[in-house]
Amino acid sequence: EPEVTQTPSHQVTQMGQEVILRCVPISNHLYFYWYRQILGQKVEFLVSFYNNEISEKSEIFDDQFSVERPDGSNFTLKIRSTKLEDSAMYFCASRGGAKNIQYFGAGTRLSVL
Amino acid sequence: AQTVTQSQPEMSVQEAETVTLSCTYDTSENNYYLFWYKQPPSRQMILVIRQEAYKQQNATENRFSVNFQKAAKSFSLKISDSQLGDTAMYFCAFINFGNEKLTFGTGTRLTIIP
Repeated sequence: EPEVTQTPSHQVTQMGQEVILRCVPISNHLYFYWYRQILGQKVEFLVSFYNNEISEKSEIFDDQFSVERPDGSNFTLKIRSTKLEDSAMYFCASRGGAKNIQYFGAGTRLSVL
Repeated sequence: AQTVTQSQPEMSVQEAETVTLSCTYDTSENNYYLFWYKQPPSRQMILVIRQEAYKQQNATENRFSVNFQKAAKSFSLKISDSQLGDTAMYFCAFINFGNEKLTFGTGTRLTIIP
């Protein structure tokens, strides 16, 4: 069964450094998403991406964040200058057209030291 | 603003018993979708079941079923014949038709006791 793949599973970085989290969505899906989950808290929407542009973003998704689909298969989330409070689990999701079901990857745990 | 409320932070039941997880939501829209996702210790979010608001019939997926009460804005999940592998965090989630943002509840940690 096709699945969303995220790499790495765990990323450790120093405060102020840039990180790129990578995702390979399900191959025929057209809509892509990033969510985050701070430890012990609910899953929060960050951004949605369709047709090579952001379609919706939350107030969390400020200028420090960016997303890109650099080729036909990858979807990335970049955090320009990480802060301690960016430590969280980051989930990528994708969906096809019809059923409005978002399929999630296993997540990348980001630890900012 | 859309909100999703899960009032049971933790629950535990004996294996093979039936358990019901509660969820209420708030929206001013008429067309939307509701979901239950499962997050086991591996942390991957797995779709359990989906309900379209325009459908009166409650969704079922094998041992999982929902009780969808649109007027009350309630969407509970029933797990029958619970198994050890059902141990996980369960999130109720909601999305308005035509929107992209899934709104999640705070989750219910379910433990199945052998």
